[in-house]
Amino acid sequence: EVQLVQSGVAVKKPGESLRISCEGSGYSFSSYWINWLRQRPGKGLEWLGRIDPSDSDTKYTPSFKGHVTISVDKSISTAYVQWSSLKASDTAMYYCARQYNSGPHTDFDYWGQGTLVTVSS
Amino acid sequence: NFMLTQPHSVSESPGKTVTISCTRSSGSIASNYVHWYQQRPGSAPSIVIYEDNKRSSGVPDRFSGSIDSSSNSAALTISGLTTEDEADYYCQSYDISSLFVVFGGGTKLTVL
Repeated sequence: EVQLVQSGVAVKKPGESLRISCEGSGYSFSSYWINWLRQRPGKGLEWLGRIDPSDSDTKYTPSFKGHVTISVDKSISTAYVQWSSLKASDTAMYYCARQYNSGPHTDFDYWGQGTLVTVSS
Repeated sequence: NFMLTQPHSVSESPGKTVTISCTRSSGSIASNYVHWYQQRPGSAPSIVIYEDNKRSSGVPDRFSGSIDSSSNSAALTISGLTTEDEADYYCQSYDISSLFVVFGGGTKLTVL
């Protein structure tokens, strides 16, 4: 059974760092890109970027580049997104989703359960 | 980059048919695949239609997808509505030049 399991709720203060994770199982981890998406409370889905676990190649949407870092440890089938200095505006639910690596035209066929990140002083 | 525009909300009665549109701002809607996701309250999104009109495994045949080049739009049609269909629906495509993923703003479907 394919599963993407994300790390749990995170409560942080502005300026703190954070890394959340997404562990894949039940499939060939290196054959699927891992995408990260943000959903602010009551709002729509925003794509942050993706990583190719086979070679760690990353792509970021311009509005998130420089503010988040996406990484992967394929030895443990886990992808990460991290912040070095959180802002209150980073408060959101974050999802990972896999995408078959045949190209950007493929859909996000499995999603993680989401990680709620709250940033508040 | 282009934008995908969806109606903010739609509502319809049980048993009826509803269509949710997704209009591309520039470039041809037919040039890149469109996918549709359903997000029920409190849950992660899940794929319902991929590659314009293919139903994902386990999705009832009441769900269908289409592309209309004349309006430069994609559409998700749900027939025989039930209260289980109440959810937010998102269309998604990608920009072939930048390879960025693009989402529509989402449509809240109410079945009442």
